[in-house]
Amino acid sequence: SQKIEQNSEALNIQEGKTATLTCNYTNYSPAYLQWYRQDPGRGPVFLLLIRENEKEKRKERLKVTFDTTLKQSLFHITASQPADSATYLCALDRGAGTALIFGKGTTLSVSS
Amino acid sequence: ETGVTQTPRHLVMGMTNKKSLKCEQHLGHNAMYWYKQSAKKPLELMFVYSLEERVENNSVPSRFSPECPNSSHLFLHLHTLQPEDSALYLCASSQVGGEYYGYTFGSGTRLTVV
Repeated sequence: SQKIEQNSEALNIQEGKTATLTCNYTNYSPAYLQWYRQDPGRGPVFLLLIRENEKEKRKERLKVTFDTTLKQSLFHITASQPADSATYLCALDRGAGTALIFGKGTTLSVSS
Repeated sequence: ETGVTQTPRHLVMGMTNKKSLKCEQHLGHNAMYWYKQSAKKPLELMFVYSLEERVENNSVPSRFSPECPNSSHLFLHLHTLQPEDSALYLCASSQVGGEYYGYTFGSGTRLTVV
């Protein structure tokens, strides 16, 4: 069966450290992989997407990698801040106009 | 107003009631989506409309009925719901074809069925 797993339900780190979140998938061949941030009581907010033929994408303090051989994406937040505390969702886009499929998310807590 | 707007933000309804959730997008997108988010579960895709046609329907019970009268508006009509339907219902929009920037979500409707 098709599965998307975000390995940690919760991740606690200290301010200034790098947070690394993992997304693994099975039985998919995604055209894109996307990362979203969700704050309590709000809808997810799009952060970054990476295409199947890209290895790495950066945006300010965020970095995403995509390994289609391992079927894994890593999401990094460098120099983390308490304001980065939120739930981060991984989503797969199967292409051809099909809708996104989401993982359960990892809740990141950054303490000062 | 910009982005994706969902109303109401909160809704409490009895199992015999009929209500509707509304979603409006001001982004010029050509696809709209309904997702259900329950505690400890990933977002579950319910319905997809692309160019105002329903293109995906994820085995959702018939007590949920979507309507997309134009590319800017999406409704979810609810009737005879069950307590397990209590959840956050999220609407999203995107542009299919051309440059792609991910989905834009609304803030959701928190539904409680009593």
